[in-house]
Amino acid sequence: GQNIDQPTEMTATEGAIVQINCTYQTSGFNGLFWYQQHAGEAPTFLSYNVLDGLEEKGRFSSFLSRSKGYSYLLLKELQMKDSASYLCAASSGGYQKVTFGTGTKLQVIP
Amino acid sequence: GAVVSQHPSRVICKSGTSVKIECRSLDFQATTMFWYRQFPKKSLMLMATSNEGSKATYEQGVEKDKFLINHASLTLSTLTVTSAHPEDSSFYICSASSPLDGTDTQYFGPGTRLTVL
Repeated sequence: GQNIDQPTEMTATEGAIVQINCTYQTSGFNGLFWYQQHAGEAPTFLSYNVLDGLEEKGRFSSFLSRSKGYSYLLLKELQMKDSASYLCAASSGGYQKVTFGTGTKLQVIP
Repeated sequence: GAVVSQHPSRVICKSGTSVKIECRSLDFQATTMFWYRQFPKKSLMLMATSNEGSKATYEQGVEKDKFLINHASLTLSTLTVTSAHPEDSSFYICSASSPLDGTDTQYFGPGTRLTVL
């Protein structure tokens, strides 16, 4: 079956850097997504990693290690608006099935 | 690009009635659409995968006769919650993807909050 683990909650200070980890166990793995979800809203796409390594996109970067079943989302220069849940999701199989983790609720404090 | 709309955004209905939720891809053709539900402080739970022109594939434990899905065109999928009950109250979210994207990226609609009285 599919299994995705990420921390439930994290707190970080405005202007700082935070790393949100995600481990996954899934058969037929295609790639790893990160989504941001503000309370009461639908998720918005942040990144998609297929190959090993770090991909940088502005203040957000995402890393993947396929051999270790591990990914992280790195947020730099944290802003108050970054307070949200961050969902790790693994794509597997031939019909684009995506399994979501329970999400990490990030609170950015002044 | 890659905008997905959902309608209605919020609905309140009486127990026993049916509710239809529409999901549209506005600027791309979505061969596959997904329906999720999310309970408060919980993650997304995939209900079904909908492919245009064919029957939806339901996840284990999801009643296909209760949650009717129709994917009539490349830009529209509908979810009908039949004979709704209070336990069906939830946040329903659709997403859409396109093979032209080259990835499995799913673009989410804004969600529909259903409250069954």
